[in-house]
Formats: sequence, C-alpha cells, structure tokens
Amino acid sequence: DTGVSQNPRHKITKRGQNVTFRCDPISEHNRLYWYRQTLGQGPEFLTYFQNEAQLEKSRLLSDRFSAERPKGSFSTLEIQRTEQGDSAMYLCASSPLMRTGRAFFGQGTRLTVV
Amino acid sequence: GIQVEQSPPDLILQEGANSTLRCNFSDSVNNLQWFHQNPWGQLINLFYIPSGTKQNGRLSATTVATERYSLLYISSSQTTDSGVYFCAVETSGSRLTFGEGTQLTVNP
Repeated sequence: DTGVSQNPRHKITKRGQNVTFRCDPISEHNRLYWYRQTLGQGPEFLTYFQNEAQLEKSRLLSDRFSAERPKGSFSTLEIQRTEQGDSAMYLCASSPLMRTGRAFFGQGTRLTVV
Repeated sequence: GIQVEQSPPDLILQEGANSTLRCNFSDSVNNLQWFHQNPWGQLINLFYIPSGTKQNGRLSATTVATERYSLLYISSSQTTDSGVYFCAVETSGSRLTFGEGTQLTVNP
C-alpha cells in the first residue's frame, strides 16, 4: 500500500492555458474523489468515480473541468482555459467501496494561475 | 445540504497543554472522519469515527451521533501537532463534507 499519489505537486500556468493533473489511488480502492481547497477553507467536493464510472459531479465543476478514470485505476483532472480563480489545491482521495466514508487523501496538486 | 461547523476556528497553546476541538453537524451522518492537514497540505487520517470513542496515543475522539457532534481531544500537545484539523462527514454514500477547520498553533 503506497498510498494515494498525485502529480505534479505544484503547477504554475498562465491564464488561458490547459492543465492536467494525475491521481493514482490505493490499488484496491474502487472509489476515487477529487476535491478543491482554497486558502483558509475546507476541501470542497468536485466529483467521484466508482471504478471507471463518474457517478456524481458538483456544481463547482464547470464545463472547463473534465475528469476521467478510463480503466478504473488512475484518474486525470483537466482544466481548460484556466482562470485566476482556479488557483487552489486539488486533492484526490480514494476509498474502498464498502466503507466509502473512510477516505485517504493524496498530497495534492497546488495550482497557481498567473 | 448538510452543514458542518467546527470550533474554535483558531487555538494557540503552550507545549504540554490539553485541548478539545468540536465538530457540530446539522443532519444524520453515515460516517465521520477527523483529519490533520500538515504544512505541506496533505490530509492525514486521524480517526474514522461514525459513533463511539477511539483513542490513538495522545489523541482521542468521541462522536455522539444522536446529538450530532464529535470531539477531538489532544493531550500533552507538541509543536508537531500544529496545523489545521478538519472534521468531515459523509451522508449519502459518496462525498465528504468538510468543516472550515481549526487552526492549531502549539508554541514551545
């Protein structure tokens, strides 16, 4: 069990550019979640997958955001045409199907849009 | 949606002191977790505690689900305990809803 892994750890991009983040969950976990955290706030839910199916999306996930989990293993989160308001920490978590409230988080990807 | 309130928002202690952090939630929950966010941003699992009491070293937690609150106790605090403590609840078998956290500073 190597834990949840996220890459990159930090990303600085210019406004208008596209960015993609990767998350590798704990291998036996069926569920994978994406959260966003801005300074001074708690993490906010964006979306989650059960295996390869995306089952729920938050209203925070605008049409510039897309997430995939093509083979039910790793996941990617893409942000198109980044805006300064997208600057945040993007956190990935995974959990086993039968204990969905027991989530384990990665170290996050800190995005700065300049 | 469910509301999660944590108190106090900020707490400053001297090393060795004890503290209690509180989490109130507005509806019934299936699960509750306490996390410590380290200075590098990672959320470290402390307790998975939908009900009852658990202890792990100097930390313990109690959730009273019928009264919709949970408490995190830190005894003999150390400087390494500094950081933000989050309570998060799960209601619908999917997402966690987080409180805004308690920022703990332990001074030597």
